[in-house]
Amino acid sequence: DAGVIQSPRHEVTEMGQEVTLRCKPISGHDYLFWYRQTMMRGLELLIYFNNNVPIDDSGMPEDRFSAKMPNASFSTLKIQPSEPRDSAVYFCASSSDGGTGELFFGEGSRLTVL
Amino acid sequence: TQLLEQSPQFLSIQEGENLTVYCNSSSVFSSLQWYRQEPGEGPVLLVTVVTGGEVKKLKRLTFQFGDARKDSSLHITAAQPGDTGLYLCAGEDTNAGKSTFGDGTTLTVKP
Repeated sequence: DAGVIQSPRHEVTEMGQEVTLRCKPISGHDYLFWYRQTMMRGLELLIYFNNNVPIDDSGMPEDRFSAKMPNASFSTLKIQPSEPRDSAVYFCASSSDGGTGELFFGEGSRLTVL
Repeated sequence: TQLLEQSPQFLSIQEGENLTVYCNSSSVFSSLQWYRQEPGEGPVLLVTVVTGGEVKKLKRLTFQFGDARKDSSLHITAAQPGDTGLYLCAGEDTNAGKSTFGDGTTLTVKP
Protein backbone atom coordinates (compact mmCIF):
# COMPACT_ATOMS: atom_id res chain seq x y z
CA ASP A 1 0.00 0.00 0.00
CA ALA A 2 1.18 3.51 -0.73
CA GLY A 3 1.96 5.65 2.26
CA VAL A 4 1.19 9.31 2.68
CA ILE A 5 2.22 11.13 -0.47
CA GLN A 6 3.36 14.74 -0.40
CA SER A 7 4.35 17.12 -3.16
CA PRO A 8 6.51 18.90 -3.95
CA ARG A 9 9.45 17.36 -2.07
CA HIS A 10 11.41 20.58 -2.38
CA GLU A 11 10.35 24.10 -3.18
CA VAL A 12 12.43 27.25 -3.38
CA THR A 13 10.52 30.48 -3.81
CA GLU A 14 10.93 34.19 -3.29
CA MET A 15 9.38 36.17 -0.51
CA GLY A 16 5.86 37.26 -1.35
CA GLN A 17 5.06 34.33 -3.62
CA GLU A 18 2.23 31.92 -3.00
CA VAL A 19 3.16 28.39 -1.97
CA THR A 20 0.86 25.38 -2.18
CA LEU A 21 1.79 22.07 -0.60
CA ARG A 22 -0.20 18.93 -1.36
CA CYS A 23 -0.96 15.74 0.50
CA LYS A 24 -2.66 12.45 -0.28
CA PRO A 25 -3.37 10.50 2.93
CA ILE A 26 -3.46 6.74 3.27
CA SER A 27 -6.73 5.38 1.93
CA GLY A 28 -9.21 4.75 4.72
CA HIS A 29 -7.57 7.09 7.20
CA ASP A 30 -10.07 9.69 8.31
CA TYR A 31 -7.66 11.98 10.18
CA LEU A 32 -5.16 14.21 8.41
CA PHE A 33 -2.55 16.41 10.07
CA TRP A 34 -0.24 19.14 8.85
CA TYR A 35 2.99 19.65 10.82
CA ARG A 36 5.90 22.05 10.45
CA GLN A 37 9.42 21.09 11.54
CA THR A 38 12.29 23.49 12.18
CA MET A 39 15.49 23.24 14.19
CA MET A 40 14.34 26.00 16.51
CA ARG A 41 10.78 24.87 17.20
CA GLY A 42 10.80 21.16 16.50
CA LEU A 43 7.66 19.45 15.17
CA GLU A 44 4.61 21.69 15.47
CA LEU A 45 1.03 20.74 14.70
CA LEU A 46 -0.53 23.34 12.43
CA ILE A 47 -4.00 21.91 11.79
CA TYR A 48 -5.84 18.64 11.65
CA PHE A 49 -8.94 17.36 9.90
CA ASN A 50 -11.40 14.61 10.72
CA ASN A 51 -13.58 13.37 7.88
CA ASN A 52 -12.45 16.36 5.80
CA VAL A 53 -13.57 18.86 8.46
CA PRO A 54 -10.98 21.09 10.19
CA ILE A 55 -11.07 20.27 13.89
CA ASP A 56 -8.21 22.26 15.39
CA ASP A 57 -6.36 25.04 13.58
CA SER A 58 -4.91 26.66 16.68
CA GLY A 59 -1.39 25.93 15.46
CA MET A 60 -1.74 27.86 12.21
CA PRO A 61 0.73 30.75 12.59
CA GLU A 62 -1.33 33.53 11.05
CA ASP A 63 -3.78 34.43 8.33
CA ARG A 64 -1.17 33.87 5.65
CA PHE A 65 -1.62 30.14 6.21
CA SER A 66 -4.69 28.24 5.08
CA ALA A 67 -5.52 24.55 4.67
CA LYS A 68 -8.27 22.74 2.87
CA MET A 69 -9.41 19.18 2.49
CA PRO A 70 -11.94 19.06 -0.35
CA ASN A 71 -12.21 15.27 -0.22
CA ALA A 72 -10.94 12.26 1.68
CA SER A 73 -7.93 11.77 -0.56
CA PHE A 74 -6.50 15.24 -0.90
CA SER A 75 -5.45 18.20 1.21
CA THR A 76 -3.55 21.42 0.57
CA LEU A 77 -1.62 23.81 2.77
CA LYS A 78 -1.26 27.25 1.27
CA ILE A 79 0.97 30.13 2.33
CA GLN A 80 0.22 33.51 0.80
CA PRO A 81 2.30 35.61 0.85
CA SER A 82 5.31 33.56 1.87
CA GLU A 83 8.07 34.96 4.10
CA PRO A 84 11.63 33.74 4.82
CA ARG A 85 10.59 32.68 8.33
CA ASP A 86 8.21 30.15 6.75
CA SER A 87 11.22 28.12 5.59
CA ALA A 88 10.83 24.67 7.13
CA VAL A 89 9.94 21.07 6.37
CA TYR A 90 6.19 20.61 6.22
CA PHE A 91 4.85 17.15 6.98
CA CYS A 92 1.48 15.67 6.32
CA ALA A 93 0.38 12.70 8.41
CA SER A 94 -2.71 10.54 8.47
CA SER A 95 -4.25 8.26 11.04
CA SER A 96 -7.18 5.94 11.51
CA ASP A 97 -7.11 6.35 15.31
CA GLY A 98 -7.37 10.08 15.71
CA GLY A 99 -4.75 12.43 17.01
CA THR A 100 -3.57 10.08 19.71
CA GLY A 101 -3.08 6.93 17.66
CA GLU A 102 -0.25 6.02 15.34
CA LEU A 103 0.55 8.77 12.89
CA PHE A 104 1.78 7.84 9.42
CA PHE A 105 3.94 10.63 8.04
CA GLY A 106 4.79 11.54 4.50
CA GLU A 107 8.36 12.30 3.46
CA GLY A 108 7.80 16.02 3.87
CA SER A 109 8.03 19.10 1.69
CA ARG A 110 11.13 21.19 2.26
CA LEU A 111 10.29 24.86 1.69
CA THR A 112 12.89 27.56 1.30
CA VAL A 113 11.70 31.15 1.02
CA LEU A 114 14.41 33.54 -0.13
CA THR B 1 -0.62 22.87 26.28
CA GLN B 2 1.27 19.93 27.74
CA LEU B 3 5.01 20.20 27.18
CA LEU B 4 7.51 17.40 26.70
CA GLU B 5 11.22 17.91 27.30
CA GLN B 6 13.69 15.49 25.79
CA SER B 7 17.28 15.01 26.86
CA PRO B 8 19.95 15.03 25.80
CA GLN B 9 19.34 17.16 22.74
CA PHE B 10 22.32 15.65 20.92
CA LEU B 11 24.20 12.41 21.55
CA SER B 12 27.19 11.05 19.66
CA ILE B 13 28.55 7.63 20.57
CA GLN B 14 30.63 4.80 19.19
CA GLU B 15 29.14 1.61 17.79
CA GLY B 16 28.60 -0.95 20.53
CA GLU B 17 27.95 1.51 23.34
CA ASN B 18 24.74 1.69 25.34
CA LEU B 19 22.66 4.83 25.74
CA THR B 20 19.51 6.17 27.34
CA VAL B 21 17.42 9.13 26.25
CA TYR B 22 14.68 10.73 28.29
CA CYS B 23 11.30 12.33 27.80
CA ASN B 24 9.90 14.31 30.73
CA SER B 25 6.83 16.36 31.49
CA SER B 26 5.02 17.88 34.43
CA SER B 27 1.76 16.62 32.94
CA VAL B 28 0.21 13.18 33.01
CA PHE B 29 -0.30 11.45 29.68
CA SER B 30 -2.73 8.67 28.85
CA SER B 31 -0.14 7.17 26.56
CA LEU B 32 3.20 8.04 25.07
CA GLN B 33 4.75 7.18 21.75
CA TRP B 34 8.32 7.05 20.50
CA TYR B 35 9.12 7.81 16.87
CA ARG B 36 12.40 7.67 14.94
CA GLN B 37 13.07 10.04 12.08
CA GLU B 38 15.86 9.49 9.57
CA PRO B 39 17.24 12.32 7.43
CA GLY B 40 14.94 13.26 4.57
CA GLU B 41 12.06 11.18 5.86
CA GLY B 42 9.09 11.53 8.15
CA PRO B 43 8.95 10.10 11.68
CA VAL B 44 8.07 6.41 12.02
CA LEU B 45 6.39 4.96 15.09
CA LEU B 46 8.54 2.64 17.21
CA VAL B 47 6.27 1.93 20.18
CA THR B 48 3.31 3.11 22.23
CA VAL B 49 3.32 2.75 26.02
CA VAL B 50 0.06 3.03 27.90
CA THR B 51 0.33 1.71 31.46
CA GLY B 52 2.36 3.40 34.21
CA GLY B 53 5.50 1.36 34.82
CA GLU B 54 5.15 -0.45 31.51
CA VAL B 55 8.31 -1.76 29.86
CA LYS B 56 8.38 -2.73 26.20
CA LYS B 57 11.27 -4.25 24.29
CA LEU B 58 11.89 -4.01 20.60
CA LYS B 59 15.06 -5.98 19.83
CA ARG B 60 17.87 -3.84 21.30
CA LEU B 61 15.51 -1.01 22.28
CA THR B 62 13.83 -0.90 25.69
CA PHE B 63 11.08 1.62 26.39
CA GLN B 64 9.78 2.45 29.85
CA PHE B 65 6.80 4.55 30.90
CA GLY B 66 7.11 6.16 34.32
CA ASP B 67 4.85 5.02 37.13
CA ALA B 68 3.12 8.41 37.21
CA ARG B 69 2.86 8.50 33.40
CA LYS B 70 4.74 11.79 33.25
CA ASP B 71 8.01 10.53 31.82
CA SER B 72 9.53 7.87 29.63
CA SER B 73 12.93 6.56 28.66
CA LEU B 74 14.41 4.77 25.70
CA HIS B 75 17.46 2.58 26.24
CA ILE B 76 19.47 1.21 23.34
CA THR B 77 21.89 -1.65 23.91
CA ALA B 78 24.94 -2.08 21.69
CA ALA B 79 24.09 0.80 19.41
CA GLN B 80 24.67 0.41 15.70
CA PRO B 81 25.13 3.02 12.95
CA GLY B 82 21.63 2.12 11.72
CA ASP B 83 20.24 3.51 14.97
CA THR B 84 21.32 7.00 13.91
CA GLY B 85 18.41 9.40 13.72
CA LEU B 86 16.14 11.79 15.54
CA TYR B 87 14.15 10.18 18.36
CA LEU B 88 10.90 11.92 19.18
CA CYS B 89 8.49 11.25 22.00
CA ALA B 90 4.83 12.23 21.71
CA GLY B 91 2.37 12.39 24.57
CA GLU B 92 -1.37 11.97 24.22
CA ASP B 93 -3.19 15.15 25.23
CA THR B 94 -6.58 13.81 26.27
CA ASN B 95 -8.09 17.28 26.64
CA ALA B 96 -7.24 18.32 23.11
CA GLY B 97 -7.59 14.93 21.42
CA LYS B 98 -4.15 15.23 19.89
CA SER B 99 -0.53 14.41 20.66
CA THR B 100 2.26 16.81 21.63
CA PHE B 101 5.79 16.12 20.39
CA GLY B 102 9.01 16.74 22.25
CA ASP B 103 11.92 18.48 20.54
CA GLY B 104 13.75 15.21 20.02
CA THR B 105 17.16 13.69 20.65
CA THR B 106 19.53 13.54 17.69
CA LEU B 107 21.57 10.35 17.96
CA THR B 108 24.70 9.68 15.94
CA VAL B 109 26.34 6.26 16.16
CA LYS B 110 29.80 6.20 14.69
CA PRO B 111 31.18 2.97 13.18
